[in-house]
Amino acid sequence: QKEVEQDPGPLSVPEGAIVSLNCTYSNSAFQYFMWYRQYSRKGPELLMYTYSSGNKEDGRFTAQVDKSSKYISLFIRDSQPSDSATYLCASDMRFGAGTRLTVKP
Amino acid sequence: NAGVMQNPRHLVRRRGQEARLRCSPMKGHSHVYWYRQLPEEGLKFMVYLQKENIIDESGMPKERFSAEFPKEGPSILRIQQVVRGDSAAYFCASSPESRVYEQYFGPGTRLTVT
Repeated sequence: QKEVEQDPGPLSVPEGAIVSLNCTYSNSAFQYFMWYRQYSRKGPELLMYTYSSGNKEDGRFTAQVDKSSKYISLFIRDSQPSDSATYLCASDMRFGAGTRLTVKP
Repeated sequence: NAGVMQNPRHLVRRRGQEARLRCSPMKGHSHVYWYRQLPEEGLKFMVYLQKENIIDESGMPKERFSAEFPKEGPSILRIQQVVRGDSAAYFCASSPESRVYEQYFGPGTRLTVT
């Protein structure tokens, strides 16, 4: 079993839609939870991080962590074509496989 | 403020040769992490280093792979006697102190073994 599981998608949505990306993790000792965005053939870019259960908002992005169910989510409001990328969830230094998102104009 | 730098960006090696990948962390960052990414797969943690110290190498293969982060100069990931299965993108990240949740990644080195 992978330590961080993530649905690889692909996920395709129309511009303006709300996007929901989800991950689960298996190790209850994990303390930190991060979301990265990766464009093709580039390095991952840190979007958000948190280390507690609850929500954290940054502009159009909201990260949500539920430690009781070991569930991590990222919501993107008013999605834009420029949001098209692969989104990676991570816990401590373990990464999910990434979800490929396409936002169509 | 320069970001994390990695070189070379592309590296081609024949089977049995050695590959050396270099990583210069962001200014002020003293912690470095190495990851491997295979096509269509996520990042796989390899090793976490502080200057002159390996903090966590639980993701490193037991043979042929080694990493260092000397007091002066870049961090180096060394792969000896490369095999085709080593072909991948290798990413380095750095963070301020031990803030593993605030890692900034370099552009990666794409290793091809022929």
